[in-house]
Amino acid sequence: AQSVTQPDIHITVSEGASLELRCNYSYGATPYLFWYVQSPGQGLQLLLKYFSGDTLVQGIKGFEAEFKRSQSSFNLRKPSVHWSDAAEYFCAVGAQPGANNLFFGTGTRLTVIP
Amino acid sequence: ETGVTQSPTHLIKTRGQQVTLRCSSQSGHNTVSWYQQALGQGPQFIFQYYREEENGRGNFPPRFSGLQFPNYSSELNVNALELDDSALYLCASTRKGIQVVETQYFGPGTRLLVL
Repeated sequence: AQSVTQPDIHITVSEGASLELRCNYSYGATPYLFWYVQSPGQGLQLLLKYFSGDTLVQGIKGFEAEFKRSQSSFNLRKPSVHWSDAAEYFCAVGAQPGANNLFFGTGTRLTVIP
Repeated sequence: ETGVTQSPTHLIKTRGQQVTLRCSSQSGHNTVSWYQQALGQGPQFIFQYYREEENGRGNFPPRFSGLQFPNYSSELNVNALELDDSALYLCASTRKGIQVVETQYFGPGTRLLVL
């Protein structure tokens, strides 16, 4: 069965500092991986996705993520955090072929302090 | 902006009632999925519709049902509401194609409170 673990419930970083949000997945086949961001009271916005190819994926808003098959991880990074990055971040894995449903982690809430 | 819209934005119902939530997909998208996001949790897949038929379902009881219309808009119906149905309901649209898993684009959600 597919599952996603986001070990960090809440992370606080200073503005301008670097950021890494962890994501571990469990899936028997080739994973299709996503990072979404959710601002308070809003829906989900796609940051980036990995389907195949280069394991370092660039996304919007200066985010990137690296797929590491040996570690079953897909961690999200940003070199310099802005106050507007404060939000909830969700990692998701694509499920069985044809169903197009996603399995989400429980999310990591990011707080940015001045 | 993803082009996916949902209505209403907020809704209050009482236990036992029925509710209908609506979603309008992004232009050109032929597949819609519905998710339930309880407070403090990640979204959970309810079901997906493709060509007006259910095309996959998560671990939700039959009182959760849906419709997809020829214009690719969609409805989520929940009968016999329970307190635990209180959540943010998200709709996501995609265009089913050659990719095994397509990118889904989410609407802003409908927040349902059951009293």
